[in-house]
Amino acid sequence: EVQLVESGGGLVQPGGSLRLSCAASGFAFSTYWMSWVRQAPGKGLEWVANINQDVSEKYYVDSVKGRFTISRDNAKNSLFLQMNILTAEDTAVYHCARYCFGHGCGYFDLWGRGTLVTVSS
Amino acid sequence: DIVMTQSPATLSVSPGERVTLSCRASQSLSSKLAWYQQKPGQAPRVLIYGASTRATGVAARFSGSGSGTEFTLSISSLQSEDFAVYHCQQYNDWPTWTFGRGTKVEIK
Repeated sequence: EVQLVESGGGLVQPGGSLRLSCAASGFAFSTYWMSWVRQAPGKGLEWVANINQDVSEKYYVDSVKGRFTISRDNAKNSLFLQMNILTAEDTAVYHCARYCFGHGCGYFDLWGRGTLVTVSS
Repeated sequence: DIVMTQSPATLSVSPGERVTLSCRASQSLSSKLAWYQQKPGQAPRVLIYGASTRATGVAARFSGSGSGTEFTLSISSLQSEDFAVYHCQQYNDWPTWTFGRGTKVEIK
């Protein structure tokens, strides 16, 4: 089955760190760009970060630059998001998503259900 | 960044009715717009890309139209499984992708 399954969310104090993981299955993970997209309570979706197949390109939304790092392990079909210096504004459900790259593309064509990150003291 | 504005925020509809959702961009997108459906506790799924192309497996009752800054998602005859939140997303502004705040379609 083609799917993405996130893990690693939880409750963390402001200023703390958390590492999210995403396990991919059912498709050739190493040939796709991958992304993280989050949704804060009561708000819309927000793209967080993208990474290309060979890790030579990474992009971040301005609000997480310098604090979050996206990475991947193609041998283990896994995507990661290292989140540091967390604030209440980072509280959200974090979705792993497959990014469709190339002519005619630019959207997210496969999503996971997400993992909840709550930043609170 | 390109700001995406969806309207209305909530739409109360009866099964069988036709539904039209709106998405407006702060700058021209050409046709680089996607629509997603999200049900509670589930992963979002892409419905439409390129403003009007249905994704694989999407029912024919879903259609997208528009270009530039004004876009529409239509559902010709709302089914019970269509009650959900619908999001639009622009991908014209590399490398920044932005979404609207969503429109919730609820049972009237």
